[in-house]
Amino acid sequence: GAVVSQHPSRVICKSGTSVKIECRSLDFQATTMFWYRQFPKKSLMLMATSNEGSKATYEQGVEKDKFLINHASLTLSTLTVTSAHPEDSSFYICSARDPLGFEQFFGPGTRLTVL
Amino acid sequence: GENVEQHPSTLSVQEGDSAVIKCTYSDSASNYFPWYKQELGKRPQLIIDIRSNVGEKKDQRIAVTLNKTAKHFSLHITETQPEDSAVYFCAASIAGNQFYFGTGTSLTVIP
Repeated sequence: GAVVSQHPSRVICKSGTSVKIECRSLDFQATTMFWYRQFPKKSLMLMATSNEGSKATYEQGVEKDKFLINHASLTLSTLTVTSAHPEDSSFYICSARDPLGFEQFFGPGTRLTVL
Repeated sequence: GENVEQHPSTLSVQEGDSAVIKCTYSDSASNYFPWYKQELGKRPQLIIDIRSNVGEKKDQRIAVTLNKTAKHFSLHITETQPEDSAVYFCAASIAGNQFYFGTGTSLTVIP
């Protein structure tokens, strides 16, 4: 099956720093990737849709200047959390759309802790 | 935008019994409805999905039913086993684009 990886799996940073999370589709080309955020014991909340070669589409209430998304190639999308604060601490999960169907393949997630 | 509601939030069943989780959606244009199982700290795993041109789909102990008119769909797990214990999420999507997830159901199967 299709494989999506994320890096890093876990990151701890100080308040005010920026953190970059990478999402890669390993065995297929993904023109569309998605970024989700999941707080403890909560559901996955869609943050943005990442389209290769174009600007990301953000969901209502998600600050595009705080969560920078770049989808520079057909296998890589990055999410940068700028000037991170403790309230940004969460589990961030990416997914890549199946180019042949409706399924999304999820990455393993990145646990971000901002001190 | 799409709004997906899921019930119940927690569910405990005896091993061997059946479990049913229900979801409703708001956007009649949604036509793809996957169900995911998520264990703590792990990625969601697709367990079954259904498209709007089908009313029911079954895969061994797992089945999903869809009522497009009422805009609701349900997950049925029969002969539950302790390893079925996890959090389950439903989602709704238009043709595999943005997934909007339900609030989740924490299922506990008691041995």
